[in-house]
Amino acid sequence: RKEVEQDPGPFNVPEGATVAFNCTYSNSASQSFFWYRQDCRKEPKLLMSVYSSGNEDGRFTAQLNRASQYISLLIRDSKLSDSATYLCVVNIGGGYQKVTFGTGTKLQVIP
Amino acid sequence: NAGVTQTPKFRILKIGQSMTLQCTQDMNHNYMYWYRQDPGMGLKLIYYSVGAGITDKGEVPNGYNVSRSTTEDFPLRLELAAPSQTSVYFCASTDRGREQFFGPGTRLTVL
Repeated sequence: RKEVEQDPGPFNVPEGATVAFNCTYSNSASQSFFWYRQDCRKEPKLLMSVYSSGNEDGRFTAQLNRASQYISLLIRDSKLSDSATYLCVVNIGGGYQKVTFGTGTKLQVIP
Repeated sequence: NAGVTQTPKFRILKIGQSMTLQCTQDMNHNYMYWYRQDPGMGLKLIYYSVGAGITDKGEVPNGYNVSRSTTEDFPLRLELAAPSQTSVYFCASTDRGREQFFGPGTRLTVL
């Protein structure tokens, strides 16, 4: 089983739609969780951290379910500019702060 | 605050040539990482460092070397370049438990 698994997509959604991505992780000792966004041929950039109680940032909502070992990202009112690949990231901590990246879910928002 | 900077942005090498990819961060982070990302694929960890003078191998270290003489700098050395090393190389840094900050990447082609 991969350490971090994501549906690669692509998810093709119309503008204004709501879309949700899930990500599962295998290491129950994982300590911190993030969603990153990566545009084509660019570096990954932090979208938001994911907290145990869930958190929201504008149109974006992240949830963490430690019991089932998955995290989710909900995007409401999709914009064309949301088109990108979304990476699920898990920090297992430890001596070198091991971070594992999912392979990403591609989102294409269509006019 | 420049964050993480990488040079060069692009490079074409011939098979068997060597080069050094430079990475510098100005956030006083102890943890630094080198990743490679092949087209359409996820990030793979090449080497990491937990502080000046301490480095260790990641998932795909063969053909690469690193050094960390200062907190700020973490250069990646390619010896005897091969076509399989054609990729985009990202350097990243972090503090304990925090998100990783990425440089803009170096696009390397080996012909």
